[in-house]
Amino acid sequence: GAGVSQTPSNKVTEKGKYVELRCDPISGHTALYWYRQSLGQGPEFLIYFQGTGAADDSGLPNDRFFAVRPEGSVSTLKIQRTERGDSAVYLCASSPGPQVQETQYFGPGTRLLVL
Amino acid sequence: GDSVTQMEGPVTLSEEAFLTINCTYTATGYPSLFWYVQYPGEGLQLLLKATKADDKGSNKGFEATYRKETTSFHLEKGSVQVSDSAVYFCALQPGSGNNRLAFGKGNQVVVIP
Repeated sequence: GAGVSQTPSNKVTEKGKYVELRCDPISGHTALYWYRQSLGQGPEFLIYFQGTGAADDSGLPNDRFFAVRPEGSVSTLKIQRTERGDSAVYLCASSPGPQVQETQYFGPGTRLLVL
Repeated sequence: GDSVTQMEGPVTLSEEAFLTINCTYTATGYPSLFWYVQYPGEGLQLLLKATKADDKGSNKGFEATYRKETTSFHLEKGSVQVSDSAVYFCALQPGSGNNRLAFGKGNQVVVIP
C-alpha cells in the first residue's frame, strides 16, 4: 500500500515568510510524528499526534512553529516568520496506534531552505 | 534526558568485510532501541529493533543486541555488500507512554567493491 507522503518535496522561501508543510500518513494510522533533520545530524522530535490531538508538542522549538491534524489523518506543520536557521529536512512519520514499540514509518521529507 | 551516541565519522570498508557501528544510550527507564537506515535518495527505514534487555534484533544479515549492562546496541554485519552503502541511525524510544524517537547523529557507510 501507499506509504507516508509529504508535500512539497522542496520548498524555498525568504526570511520572514510563512510556510506550510503537509503530511499524509499511512491510511488507518492514528499516530503521527514530525521530526526535523539538520545537515549532518539525526532527526529531532518536534510533535506527536494521537488522532486529532497533539499528545506531545514539547519538541517544537518556539511559538513560530505550529502543527494541526484536524480530521485525524493529514497533518500540516506551519512555520511563521521563517528564519535561516529553520532550513532543514522536515520528516513526518506514522504508526498504527499509540502503543510504544510500534514501528514508525517515515515519509521522504520536505527540504526547506530559507534564504 | 534520554539520548543516543554513535561513533564519530564515516565508515569506509571493502565488500565482504565485517561491519560494526557502535551505539550507546542514556535513558532513565527501559527504552526500546532501533536501527534505522537511509539509502541514497530514499527515506528512513526501520532496519531492526529490540524492546528489552538481551533481545537481539536482526534483518538483512544485520544484528544488534540490547545490552543493558553496557547501555549499548551495536550494529554488526558479517559480510557487507556495495548495496549496504547508506547512512545508519541508532535511536531509542523511552517508553512509559513516551513515543518519541531520539536519534544519534548517524554514520555514513561506504562499501567499495
